Amino acid sequence: EVQLVQSGAEVKKSGESLKISCKGSGYSFTSYWIGWVRQMPGKGLEWMGVIYPGDSDTRYSPSLQGQVTISADKSISTAYLHWSSLKASDTATYYCARALTGNSKTFDYWGQGTLVTVSS
Amino acid sequence: QSALTQPRSVSGSPGQSVTISCTGTSSDVDGYNYVSWYQQHPGKAPKLMIYDVNKRPSGVPDRFSGSKSGNTASLTISGLQAEDEADYYCCSYAGSYSYVFGTGTTVTVL
Repeated sequence: EVQLVQSGAEVKKSGESLKISCKGSGYSFTSYWIGWVRQMPGKGLEWMGVIYPGDSDTRYSPSLQGQVTISADKSISTAYLHWSSLKASDTATYYCARALTGNSKTFDYWGQGTLVTVSS
Repeated sequence: QSALTQPRSVSGSPGQSVTISCTGTSSDVDGYNYVSWYQQHPGKAPKLMIYDVNKRPSGVPDRFSGSKSGNTASLTISGLQAEDEADYYCCSYAGSYSYVFGTGTTVTVL
């Protein structure tokens, strides 16, 4: 069974750093891209970027490039989202999702989400 | 990359059909046959309902169907049921491993 399990909720202050995780299981983690999606409180879904754990090739949304770093450790089947200096506007729920990129292109399996709350 | 445009809300009575539109551009919806639809209940993760415009994943009821014409994709829910009440988001591939989501539509079952 394909599963993506994300790390737990975080409460941080502005200026602090943070790394949240997404662990994949039940499939070949290095053979599928992993995407990250942001959902700010009461708002819609926003694509942030994707990473291919096989070689760490990464693509970012133009609006978010430089604001966050996506990485992966294929040895432990885990993808990460990292902030070096959080802002209050980073408060959101973050989802990871497995991306199909061959003849089909979609996000087929999703993590349960990680709520990040940043206080100023 | 601007968000795809969806109506804020649609509603219907049980058993009726509702259709949600998703309008993009030649760089996304009209450029690729890779539109997906996701259902999201409050406090839950999104769930894939339709992919590649009109394909249904295993386990998704055939009441859900998708289509596309030019720069507008559509999701139709036939035989509306109470459990269909949720937020729905379209998403299109936009080239070079990038994606864009729609603004989201709340479906209300009257």
